Amino acid sequence: GAVVSQHPSRVICKSGTSVKIECRSLDFQATTMFWYRQFPKKSLMLMATSNEGSKATYEQGVEKDKFLINHASLTLSTLTVTSAHPEDSSFYICSARAPTGVDEQFFGPGTRLTVL
Amino acid sequence: AQKVTQAQTEISVVEKEDVTLDCVYETRDTTYYLFWYKQPPSGELVFLIRRNSFDEQNEISGRYSWNFQKSTSSFNFTITASQVVDSAVYFCAHSGQTGANNLFFGTGTRLTVIP
Repeated sequence: GAVVSQHPSRVICKSGTSVKIECRSLDFQATTMFWYRQFPKKSLMLMATSNEGSKATYEQGVEKDKFLINHASLTLSTLTVTSAHPEDSSFYICSARAPTGVDEQFFGPGTRLTVL
Repeated sequence: AQKVTQAQTEISVVEKEDVTLDCVYETRDTTYYLFWYKQPPSGELVFLIRRNSFDEQNEISGRYSWNFQKSTSSFNFTITASQVVDSAVYFCAHSGQTGANNLFFGTGTRLTVIP
């Protein structure tokens, strides 16, 4: 149990286009999901906390108009990179907070974005 | 503020050697959790262990062992008799208050096990 999926696993896009990444909790409901970003050979940095039915909370330095997060249901959060540029190329990983009473979060497999 | 330091950026060992990955953390939380994750070349994060701040017992799981020393704010990870499949980047992470909060990751240690 407690599986989190991400789609797509890899995406290549042209500069200026928008890219949507989906994060789904497959067998549990997640009221909270987290989005992390990882540059090559670097650590994971939290971008934002996504709460179902409300606005995401962004970390300092993360542009909320650039990285749109929508958590419309208890099993799905989406991250849209708007007007992507090469510097947005990165590995994006989501995680989902486990159900109440289970003190843990589960990670998706990640999405590798390459902006040409 | 939370901070996790993994001073070793890269380590190479020969297969069957033991290796210890260091992790030092800073926190103002009285209750917190510490984690280790493995990230193989494929990229997904593999959960290895979670330890809460009230449990200082060392833990052993097969070839893996962890040493939590609250007095020195360290949570070191030892792999015994390393194998090539252990080659990966290992991240130490901290979460305040509960394990389900957002995680603060260290910069990771890239372990290469040479056959």
